[in-house]
Amino acid sequence: KNEVEQSPQNLTAQEGEFITINCSYSVGISALHWLQQHPGGGIVSLFMLSSGKKKHGRLIATINIQEKHSSLHITASHPRDSAVYICAVGVNNDMRFGAGTRLTVKP
Amino acid sequence: DAGVIQSPRHEVTEMGQEVTLRCKPISGHNSLFWYRQTMMRGLELLIYFNNNVPIDDSGMPEDRFSAKMPNASFSTLKIQPSEPRDSAVYFCASSSGTGDMLYGYTFGSGTRLTVV
Repeated sequence: KNEVEQSPQNLTAQEGEFITINCSYSVGISALHWLQQHPGGGIVSLFMLSSGKKKHGRLIATINIQEKHSSLHITASHPRDSAVYICAVGVNNDMRFGAGTRLTVKP
Repeated sequence: DAGVIQSPRHEVTEMGQEVTLRCKPISGHNSLFWYRQTMMRGLELLIYFNNNVPIDDSGMPEDRFSAKMPNASFSTLKIQPSEPRDSAVYFCASSSGTGDMLYGYTFGSGTRLTVV
């Protein structure tokens, strides 16, 4: 079993829909990251979370340390949100990555 | 700031050749990471430097891989000799902070390596 599990693997949505991507992990962590990988390959760090909730524009990330679970939400989704979203957890000096969720938002 | 700068963007080389990938982190960042991304294994951490010192190289696949950070503004990842299974996209990232508390975590654009 992978230490970091994401769901769903693939997600197709219509423009304007509310989107949720989930991440569960099985190791003790200090922080969790959400990354966005664009179709061209570039990777952007969206959030680093150690507790609670963070918001940036239409993106919201939450984490529940006790349940070892995090969610990434996108409100009013847009085709430019189409990307792979990767959950990563920091464990000591190591980073463990989920397999990613491929999101496609159709106009 | 120009962000994390990696070079080259693309590299095609023959099996057995030495390959050197380069990374310039964001000025002021004290942590630097090398990652490899493949379709089969996803994104994997290869090595992590903090203040130019290698902290964790347990992800380096074998002795053919080596990484150096001679100063705060430059790092290299070397593969010698290269093999076709090394074909992947190699990302460099930098941040401030240490360990798993990383601030301003920023990735470079990656180097797509193809070994034929």
